[in-house]
Order: sequence, then C-alpha cells, then structure tokens
Amino acid sequence: GESVGLHLPTLSVQEGDNSIINCAYSNSASDYFIWYKQESGKGPQFIIDIRSNMDKRQGQRVTVLLNKTVKHLSLQIAATQPGDSAVYFCAENKVDSSYKLIFGSGTRLLVRP
Amino acid sequence: NAGVTQTPKFQVLKTGQSMTLQCAQDMNHEYMSWYRQDPGMGLRLIHYSVGAGITDQGEVPNGYNVSRSTTEDFPLRLLSAAPSQTSVYFCASRRGGEQFFGPGTRLTVL
Repeated sequence: GESVGLHLPTLSVQEGDNSIINCAYSNSASDYFIWYKQESGKGPQFIIDIRSNMDKRQGQRVTVLLNKTVKHLSLQIAATQPGDSAVYFCAENKVDSSYKLIFGSGTRLLVRP
Repeated sequence: NAGVTQTPKFQVLKTGQSMTLQCAQDMNHEYMSWYRQDPGMGLRLIHYSVGAGITDQGEVPNGYNVSRSTTEDFPLRLLSAAPSQTSVYFCASRRGGEQFFGPGTRLTVL
C-alpha cells in the first residue's frame, strides 16, 4: 500500500550544527514531495517542496534531497537554531486531479543550546 | 489576508452530539481539505474539495460530511460524535503545490 514513513522519531542536535531528517516513501508513482514544520499548538507550515524530476532543491538554510532509486527523501537544515525545534513531516503526492497528500508520522527535532 | 481561519479553537462534545467545524480562506484558492491529526501521528485526509460544488472523500471520511457552496468556506460536519473522533482537525487550502493550514480545532468527544 501507499505509505510515507520516517526513520527517526526524535532528533537532538546542538545549536549551530546541521540537521538531517530522513523520510522513506513507498509509492513510486508519487511525483511531488513536501516538507512541513509544525510547532506546538500550530498548524503545519510549508518549508520546501521538490518534484520527482529533481534530486535536490535549496531554500534558505534548508535543502531537500530526493533519491528515487531507494525512495528516500531528506531535509537538511544548516546551522540549526532553537527556533527550528518542531516536528517535521514529509508528505508525498501523485500530481493528478485529486492532489491528495499522504503524510508521514513526523520527526521531532530538539535543538540543544 | 487572514489566510485560513478555523472556528472554534476548542470544543468538547458528548457522544452522539453533532457539530460543524468552520473553515474559511480569503486567498481565492480552489482546493481545500480537512485533515485530522492524532497524537504522535501525521495528518490524515478526511475530505477535500477542488472547487465550489465539488467534494470527495479522503482516507478517513466515515462519520464526517462536507459541503462547498462557496470558494471561501468549507465546513466539516460531525453527524454523531464518537470518542474515536477526538483529535485535532486542520483545514487547508492550496494553490499549486503550497498548502496553507489553519490553526486547528482541538475536539474532545466524551
């Protein structure tokens, strides 16, 4: 069946270090992937997305890598800051008329001062 | 723009009661959706709409109804609340790839 999962439920990093959050997906038909950040008591916030015709996309302090061969997605956060502490979700979507997003279970990122 | 707004923020219901969760967006997005989020889990799609007058089921539609009479509003109705519907509910609207989420409604069914 279709599923999106994460390797690590909790990630603890030192402030200033780089963070890498991983995600595995199983639906080879998915062609669009998104990372969301969710702070406590708030709705998910879009961070960055990537289409399946790309293997890397960079934003401000964030990079998403897509490895279609092993169906793996990662989010890299450079120079992690305390404000980056949150739960991060990956989501996948097959870009058809339904635009249904399938979310993973999330990884909690804790930034140590 | 207010973005995506949801009311109420919190709600407690008794088993069997019905209620409507409100969602509105002022970004003129065609696509809107409802998700539920249970503790320690990701979001699961309940219902979605690709435009006024058009709705469809998501992953977990049972026990919920939706309608889309206008582009702006997408209410979610619980017909007969059950404890299994205790969750946090998020409404979202979408333009292209980027999906904007509301602040959520925390629902407890006793």
